[in-house]
Amino acid sequence: DSGVTQTPKHLITATGQRVTLRCSPRSGDLSVYWYQQSLDQGLQFLIQYYNGEERAKGNILERFSAQQFPDLHSELNLSSLELGDSALYFCASSRRGAGEVTDTQYFGPGTRLTVL
Amino acid sequence: AQKITQTQPGMFVQEKEAVTLDCTYDTSDQSYGLFWYKQPSSGEMIFLIYQGSYDEQNATEGRYSLNFQKARKSANLVISASQLGDSAMYFCAMRPEGGGNKLTFGTGTQLKVEL
Repeated sequence: DSGVTQTPKHLITATGQRVTLRCSPRSGDLSVYWYQQSLDQGLQFLIQYYNGEERAKGNILERFSAQQFPDLHSELNLSSLELGDSALYFCASSRRGAGEVTDTQYFGPGTRLTVL
Repeated sequence: AQKITQTQPGMFVQEKEAVTLDCTYDTSDQSYGLFWYKQPSSGEMIFLIYQGSYDEQNATEGRYSLNFQKARKSANLVISASQLGDSAMYFCAMRPEGGGNKLTFGTGTQLKVEL
């Protein structure tokens, strides 16, 4: 158990809908990262938050948004869902996240999103 | 741009044998971190081992060791005394100093441990 929690574990929804994925980082970790894992794209970095502020952005679609709250939990919002958004979405957390190469990211169990 | 290459889509190993999973990387940064993660069929991503680019010794963590050859830009994972529970997908990842905070992952190697 990495100490990172994600809810829900599974999510099935229809095209055009909006969903929210939730993540709680390990105790003491300040950074939260979101990744998408799909068969065709592999593991792709979406976005990072550090102590409540957006720190880095990757291949995140405009239909997707995220935020980190004062208690450091994070939510990833996916809207106008398309079939191609079906994937495993991971949250990871790390102690710092200010660019140190040694800052290990620990992953949550993931949320499997299926868009029908 | 950073890139991780894992050329072995699948590997088989006998139980109790050692196995090496290959990983090569490309970066122009001098400082970077290399990571290996394990993804069992249940889906979670489990951190295994870390190697820093300036570390003079190869990293070890229990049955896992990292064969780091900086000049060849390779960071192979060695699993000793394989167990059935080692059957999983293994991902190599890199975090360069100049690449922001994201991890760049390879495509993974599916390892199957046989009796």
